[in-house]
Parts: sequence; structure tokens; C-alpha cells
Amino acid sequence: KNEVEQSPQNLTAQEGEFITINCSYSVGISALHWLQQHPGGGIVSLFMLSSGKKKHGRLIATINIQEKHSSLHITASHPRDSAVYICAVTNTDKLIFGTGTRLQVFP
Amino acid sequence: ETGVTQSPTHLIKTRGQQVTLRCSSQSGHNTVSWYQQALGQGPQFIFQYYREEENGRGNFPPRFSGLQFPNYSSELNVNALELDDSALYLCASSLNSYGYTFGSGTRLTVV
Repeated sequence: KNEVEQSPQNLTAQEGEFITINCSYSVGISALHWLQQHPGGGIVSLFMLSSGKKKHGRLIATINIQEKHSSLHITASHPRDSAVYICAVTNTDKLIFGTGTRLQVFP
Repeated sequence: ETGVTQSPTHLIKTRGQQVTLRCSSQSGHNTVSWYQQALGQGPQFIFQYYREEENGRGNFPPRFSGLQFPNYSSELNVNALELDDSALYLCASSLNSYGYTFGSGTRLTVV
């Protein structure tokens, strides 16, 4: 069993839909990260969370430390949101990654 | 502020050869970590360097080695390349493992 699990693995949406990606982890963490990876491979850090909720534009990330669960929400999705979204946790100063959720948003 | 730059962006090597990948850290960062991402998988931690010393290593054999320089840039060296080493290699810099900035990666193909 992976230490960081994401669901769903693949997600297809119509433009404008509300999207949720889930992440569960089984190890102790000091922080949880939501990352975005485009086809070229480069990774952009979207959020780093250790508690509560953060919002940036149309993106919202939440974390429940007791349940070891985090969610990434995208409101009013747009085709440019199409990418792989990766959840990662900081465990003993190293990152452990989930396998990612591939999101495709169609016009 | 500068970001993280990796070079080269793409590389093709023959099985058994050696390769060196390079990573410049973001200004003000003192920690560099390296990850291997196979196709369709999440990145896997290779190792991390903090102030020129290796301070964490994932489940990779000794033929994966690295260096960090006084300016905090870093190299990843892989000896005796195998076909399964074909992957995207990502580096990330941080300040004391807090807040990561990623490079765009080096795509290595071993034939």
C-alpha cells in the first residue's frame, strides 16, 4: 500500500464544473503539498498546508490532520486547468508523492 | 529571484554508460533533493543534500550518487546505466526542507 494515495486517478470534466481531488496518507507529516505537473514535466507548487484551509484564486485546499486526509478543489474549471495534480507529504525532511490525478477539462 | 534550473533537458544514453545531471537551486535555498519519475508514476525520492552533505536517501542503489556545491547547486550521477533508469529526473530546492521549488526536469532515455 502506498504511503500517499490519491483518488481518482483520472478525471474528466466539462468547463465550469466543480472538481475535487482527494489525498490520504498513512505516515506522520510536517506538511502536505499540492503540486501541478504539465505535460512537459515541470512541477509547480500550488499549496503547502499543515492545517486548515488555503485558497488561491479558483483553487482551494483543505487538510484534516486527524483523518490524514486532504482535498484539492477547483471551482469553475477551465481547459487550462488540464494537468496532473500530485499530492505530496513532507516526512522526516523528504517528500513522499502520490501517483497523481490526471485531470482533463473539455470546453 | 531565480528559480530552479536543470540541465540538460533531454538526454539519450546507452546502457552501461554514466550520466551527470545538474541542478541550480533557487537563491536563498540551502537544500536540494532529487527525484526519479517513471512514466505514469509519482516521483520517487532519490536523495537530499543539505549544506553539501547527503542527509537522506531513498531506496536507490549506490550507483546513484550526488554532490552539492558551496553555491548549493547539485549534481546527480548515475553509473552503469540500466534501461529501467529511463525516467524524468526532477530536482527541488528548499530552505531547510520548507517550501519546495521544482525544476522542469531532465528526461533521460537509456537505450
